[in-house]
Amino acid sequence: QQQVKQSPQSLIVQKGGISIINCAYENTAFDYFPWYQQFPGKGPALLIAIRPDVSEKKEGRFTISFNKSAKQFSLHIMDSQPGDSATYFCAAVGNSGYSTLTFGKGTMLLVSP
Amino acid sequence: GAVVSQHPSRVICKSGTSVKIECRSLDFQATTMFWYRQFPKQSLMLMATSNEGSKATYEQGVEKDKFLINHASLTLSTLTVTSAHPEDSSFYICSASRLGRAGYGYTFGSGTRLTVV
Repeated sequence: QQQVKQSPQSLIVQKGGISIINCAYENTAFDYFPWYQQFPGKGPALLIAIRPDVSEKKEGRFTISFNKSAKQFSLHIMDSQPGDSATYFCAAVGNSGYSTLTFGKGTMLLVSP
Repeated sequence: GAVVSQHPSRVICKSGTSVKIECRSLDFQATTMFWYRQFPKQSLMLMATSNEGSKATYEQGVEKDKFLINHASLTLSTLTVTSAHPEDSSFYICSASRLGRAGYGYTFGSGTRLTVV
């Protein structure tokens, strides 16, 4: 049973455009939702994270939108740049038996020049 | 910021030999370390969770006798792939948790590309 569903699987965006990646979760025990960026041959790096008590968090060009009632959250990359081309993973973690990260399947983002 | 060092970054070994991968938290004490395996264009698959000084907890389907995990100190965990075979070739990534600080504080190593020939 996939507990975090991520879409799309791949995404091509023009330079300067907005990249949007969506995730949905099922388990209400999750209470921390990080996004990771992974370049080829490297480990994932934390990009931005949110807790369910806020609906939006912004850090530079990266914004997480969170909808607790719908159990959905999304990553928006504003003014996308070729250097943003990477694989992005959403994840969720919680308490009481859900204290390890549950990852989405990932989105390969390509920002064309 | 928290840094996790993983070594080696790449290793090629002959079939039947063993390979050890080290994961160190450089500037914090890691209460828990995790080991993941990642196949090309796929997500990370959790292999095992280790807490300092205790036996690792392996995920279902992961052979504990093949993937030996040692977490002898709060800053070092090792994964040993024993009697490696070509099907063990993969990208292995460790992660360390500073549970209690800055949320769940998971920091990942840079990964190890294992090729078994």
